[in-house]
Amino acid sequence: EVQLVESGGGLVKPGGSLRLSCAASGFTFSSYSMNWVRQAPGKGLEWVSSISSSSSYIYYADSVKGRFTISRDNAKNSLYLQMNSLRAEDTAVYYCASHPVAAFDYWGQGTLVTVSS
Amino acid sequence: DIQMTQSPSSLSASVGDRVTITCRASQGIRNDLGWYQQKPGKAPKRLIYAASSLQSGVPSRFSGSGSGTEFTLTISSLQPEDFATYYCLQHNSYGLTFGGGTKVEIK
Repeated sequence: EVQLVESGGGLVKPGGSLRLSCAASGFTFSSYSMNWVRQAPGKGLEWVSSISSSSSYIYYADSVKGRFTISRDNAKNSLYLQMNSLRAEDTAVYYCASHPVAAFDYWGQGTLVTVSS
Repeated sequence: DIQMTQSPSSLSASVGDRVTITCRASQGIRNDLGWYQQKPGKAPKRLIYAASSLQSGVPSRFSGSGSGTEFTLTISSLQPEDFATYYCLQHNSYGLTFGGGTKVEIK
């Protein structure tokens, strides 16, 4: 069974940092590009960042560029999102998701990040 | 970046109704589009991939059509469990972009 399990969310002050993790199982993690997607309270879905299977290609939304860093460790079947200089508008549920490839599409349950003083 | 314009933003419908939701891309995306259903407190669940292919396990009352810039999700006969918010997602090019969402409510 494919599983994506996020962790690392929590309450952080503006300007602070947080590192999210996503543990993957049940599929060949190293073969798939991966994404982070977020959803602010009561709002729609927003793509945050993507990383290719070998980390050769990395993309960021303009809203997080220069502050967030996506990475992965294929040996540990894990995806990460390092979030620095956090702002109130970064408050959201953060989802780890496989990049859509034909019928393959999986999401984690999400982890809540709250940026507040 | 490619913009995805989804309409309507909300709709009220009754059980048994036929419902249609549309997404328009700001430039051609071939058929690199999926439709997702999201219920409160849950992760999105994909219903349709490649614009018109039904995800395994999804009821056949859901269907998708379109290519290029115009896409449609149709629910042929709305069921109680279909009341949710629906999103389109283009993955033709980075950054990926979601439509603004359509909240389907009970009339």
